[in-house]
Amino acid sequence: EIVLTQSPGTLSLSPGERATLSCRASQSVSNNYLAWYQQKAGQAPRLLMYAASGRAPGIPDRFSGSGSGTDFTLTITSLEPEDFAVYYCQQYGSSPGTFGQGTKVEIK
Amino acid sequence: EVQLVESGGGLVQPGGSLRLSCAASGVTASAHFMDWVRQAPGKGLEWVGRSKNKANIYSTEYAASVRDRFTFSRDDSKNSLYLQMNNLKSEDTAVYFCAIYINGRPGWGQGTLVTVSS
Repeated sequence: EIVLTQSPGTLSLSPGERATLSCRASQSVSNNYLAWYQQKAGQAPRLLMYAASGRAPGIPDRFSGSGSGTDFTLTITSLEPEDFAVYYCQQYGSSPGTFGQGTKVEIK
Repeated sequence: EVQLVESGGGLVQPGGSLRLSCAASGVTASAHFMDWVRQAPGKGLEWVGRSKNKANIYSTEYAASVRDRFTFSRDDSKNSLYLQMNNLKSEDTAVYFCAIYINGRPGWGQGTLVTVSS
């Protein structure tokens, strides 16, 4: 099983600041099938990025994904008020599929 | 536009059974891998299992926590995926999501809530 470790657990930032979220896999992710999701309370996860760097339809270009193999990063260049939420990474290239434990981006 | 709609959730007693449905539109579900994912209240996301596509004879894989209790099936005529849950436990209480993978891109439904309680 591929274990995904997200860091930091909580990121305290102000609107307009840059956010950098990390997702590290215990072994290489097949086909770089690594996705990032945003989740707000009471809502389903919203797909942001897929295959490490593909931006999902309708996602603003302030969101970007990078990385390959075992190290992946989600970057939000300038935080908007609506970006404060919990973010999860997921690898779906092999079974069992796995998720990171989440990073909470909170207002400083 | 691809859409997934889950249904069938509700309140069930421990030891009981429930069948969830995931209806797909805008895509031929049989051509694609699909997963079930769940999220217990206040917790993170947990992969429940995978139903591979028709070309892979709908082979299935399950998380250890649900193996031998949960079963996936498909109905091509309804373009749907199903999750049969037996011998339910309180720790199965969660929102259950189905997901589909199309050309490397995931798509999710909005989920259905299952509550296991006496």
